[in-house]
Amino acid sequence: NAGVTQTPKFQVLKTGQSMTLQCAQDMNHEYMSWYRQDPGMGLRLIHYSVGAGITDQGEVPNGYNVSRSTTEDFPLRLLSAAPSQTSVYFCASSRLLAGGQETQYFGPGTRLLVL
Amino acid sequence: AQSVTQLDSHVSVSEGTPVLLRCNYSSSYSPSLFWYVQHPNKGLQLLLKYTSAATLVKGINGFEAEFKKSETSFHLTKPSAHMSDAAEYFCVVSVLAGAQKLVFGQGTRLTINP
Repeated sequence: NAGVTQTPKFQVLKTGQSMTLQCAQDMNHEYMSWYRQDPGMGLRLIHYSVGAGITDQGEVPNGYNVSRSTTEDFPLRLLSAAPSQTSVYFCASSRLLAGGQETQYFGPGTRLLVL
Repeated sequence: AQSVTQLDSHVSVSEGTPVLLRCNYSSSYSPSLFWYVQHPNKGLQLLLKYTSAATLVKGINGFEAEFKKSETSFHLTKPSAHMSDAAEYFCVVSVLAGAQKLVFGQGTRLTINP
């Protein structure tokens, strides 16, 4: 198993450009999510999905779009990049069972710099 | 609302000495709690988790944590630090709102001195 994979590893954008961060998992997990990590703030949830065709907002969704057409893939789209979106982005996946006790598996991250 | 506070942003210990990383949580119900570790330029790896079974939880690499409901704490400990333990550690509470969401603490950077 490759686990959770993310591409690209590093990206530089200019303000106003758009791009898609890719995330894929091969563990047949129903639950997938995107976080951003900023210094001194831990990780914050952007969007999440509990299955194909179902997505919802997290704590900091503004400026980001997601879709979930397959179980394996959960791309994150920046429609018009802003310097405030400079961050490290992590994708995670887990099984979806009652109790909130499932371990989430994280990808290696995408480092994004918006100039 | 659920929240997590990591009481130290940076902890520095000598190799071979004990490690204590402190975490307090706030939750309106019996929570699921996790500790994740992040090595430099790497993703996050689960160290251990508490899910209402035993209050003393053992994790990987010799780490353990004790859930204390009366103190709303979930401190992470290790008897003897190793150089490879240098990393960022996150205390996390699981929020149930339709689906599992994780609320992260701010992180504690652990430095190991030779």
